[in-house]
Amino acid sequence: NAGVTQTPKFQVLKTGQSMTLQCAQDMNHNSMYWYRQDPGMGLRLIYYSASEGTTDKGEVPNGYNVSRLNKREFSLRLESAAPSQTSVYFCASSGLGGQPQHFGDGTRLSIL
Amino acid sequence: DQQVKQNSPSLSVQEGRISILNCDYTNSMFDYFLWYKKYPAEGPTFLISISSIKDKNEDGRFTVFLNKSAKHLSLHIVPSQPGDSAVYFCAASEINQFYFGTGTSLTVIP
Repeated sequence: NAGVTQTPKFQVLKTGQSMTLQCAQDMNHNSMYWYRQDPGMGLRLIYYSASEGTTDKGEVPNGYNVSRLNKREFSLRLESAAPSQTSVYFCASSGLGGQPQHFGDGTRLSIL
Repeated sequence: DQQVKQNSPSLSVQEGRISILNCDYTNSMFDYFLWYKKYPAEGPTFLISISSIKDKNEDGRFTVFLNKSAKHLSLHIVPSQPGDSAVYFCAASEINQFYFGTGTSLTVIP
């Protein structure tokens, strides 16, 4: 049971570079989410997708774009990375009706 | 402005005793509350939840209490075990969005 798979697990970027974080779930969940976790800040929602074909902004969307490629996959793109985007990024998915979220193991991203 | 707050960054408890983790929220529209457990280098794992129409939910050693008038949520772990040592996040949900607290690091001392 893979659950939620995130790639890559670690990445170092230079300021201004772009990259895409990948997320895939195999639980047939409708909703998918991207969070960032920073020290002392908990998890903050960047974007979410309530169902295939829809995406919505969360608390901290600036500097990010997302694509819900199909029901399984939800990617997060940094077009021009900034040091303030150094963080641990978590992808999550959930079923209908506010069911609990299942999380991936995170992508640790450092921007120099 | 943080809608879900965990005011205790850390908690230490002796093995076998009760651990009580607290959480406060500000949005009265939240209708679903959850607790997650997180080990280092792993994603959060769902532990227990409670609907806003209930005031208590139990699952084995874990019990969640909800006091809507006080906008307060707590997690009780009885008895505490060393394997319970982790960071615990509370979360609250409204429609499709989940809001997380900053976490409480629990250490259970053998």
